[in-house]
Amino acid sequence: EAQVTQNPRYLITVTGKKLTVTCSQNMNHEYMSWYRQDPGLGLRQIYYSMNVEVTDKGDVPEGYKVSRKEKRNFPLILESPSPNQTSLYFCATTGGRDTQYFGPGTRLTVL
Amino acid sequence: QKEVEQDPGPLSVPEGAIVSLNCTYSNSAFQYFMWYRQYSRKGPELLMYTYSSGNKEDGRFTAQVDKSSKYISLFIRDSQPSDSATYLCAMNTGNQFYFGTGTSLTVIP
Repeated sequence: EAQVTQNPRYLITVTGKKLTVTCSQNMNHEYMSWYRQDPGLGLRQIYYSMNVEVTDKGDVPEGYKVSRKEKRNFPLILESPSPNQTSLYFCATTGGRDTQYFGPGTRLTVL
Repeated sequence: QKEVEQDPGPLSVPEGAIVSLNCTYSNSAFQYFMWYRQYSRKGPELLMYTYSSGNKEDGRFTAQVDKSSKYISLFIRDSQPSDSATYLCAMNTGNQFYFGTGTSLTVIP
């Protein structure tokens, strides 16, 4: 079964405390990306990766880092989270235009 | 100006109605156009994608793209209560994706 997993699903943290949200896929897809979803702003792409060791900025990369050391994993790193990064985060994979899967989401609150 | 504009609704229709959802966009470089359905507390799921202008049909769903007007539509025939969700349009050029804000749809039994 095609699966994209994210951990944690819910996280409450404080300003400045580094955190990592993990994303893992079992479909051997090359393309992976991170989005944040905010009311009134919709889904916005943070970073994407075309393959191992290949990453690029999306629309809203400020304050985020990513790495792609293995094909199946694409963690999102917030080195110094701030309250404006409170959001719902989704990881997604794409195997082709008609083969896209989103993870279940991670709800992050930064106090 | 946002790359993709989508009326957030909410839209409420009786069961069996034909639903029309729409998005407009500003970037003429967009080549791929997608529609997603997102249930509450879930990740989006891809419903349909279309390349360039034209229509594409899949069961009760029809996606339509008019590149000359920079306008895309999703039609849902014989709408069902299970279609109640938020519908997101998205567009793609190169390796980046741009999403609309989503339209909330409720189908009333």
